[in-house]
Amino acid sequence: EAGVVQSPRYKIIEKKQPVAFWCNPISGHNTLYWYRQNLGQGPELLIRYENEEAVDDSQLPKDRFSAERLKGVDSTLKIQPAELGDSAVYLCASSLRRGHNEQFFGPGTRLTVL
Amino acid sequence: AQSVTQPDIHITVSEGASLELRCNYSYGATPYLFWYVQSPGQGLQLLLKYFSGDTLVQGIKGFEAEFKRSQSSFNLRKPSVHWSDAAEYFCAVSAGKSTFGDGTTLTVKP
Repeated sequence: EAGVVQSPRYKIIEKKQPVAFWCNPISGHNTLYWYRQNLGQGPELLIRYENEEAVDDSQLPKDRFSAERLKGVDSTLKIQPAELGDSAVYLCASSLRRGHNEQFFGPGTRLTVL
Repeated sequence: AQSVTQPDIHITVSEGASLELRCNYSYGATPYLFWYVQSPGQGLQLLLKYFSGDTLVQGIKGFEAEFKRSQSSFNLRKPSVHWSDAAEYFCAVSAGKSTFGDGTTLTVKP
């Protein structure tokens, strides 16, 4: 069984540029999460999807971040424009359904904003 | 609000020695608790989880953890550490929404 796939693995951009991250969850997993992990810290939830619906986006900086999950499968997280403080690892995870189920994580995208 | 504290930022143990990583949580009821491991450049992998029942839970790679309600703790243990266990370890609490600690980096000396 394939795991959670993320691309790209690394991205270097200049500030004020846009950037997008893509995530393909494990087949059949209805719940998808985007996390941001700053250096030396644990992951922090940005947004959670139940199928196509964003049900928890309270930590998503909506002035510059956006996300979508078309057809309840793949998801894209976008930043426009990027700021220096956005440098972090962006992790995607999926689980069978909401609640306390195990989350399966992708390898992450390491973003560096110069 | 729920929170997780991992008091030890970095721990070094010798190969073959025992290991205990500490985790304290704050939540109004009994939460669901998890330990994940993250190797460099990789995503997080679940080691074990506690939902209810027996307070001593067994996980993969020879790890176990004990839930102590009175101490609000969920410490991770391993009787004999291998060099391949060197990684970062995260404790997490879930009550619908998951909250992670800041992690403990484990270094294993030969």
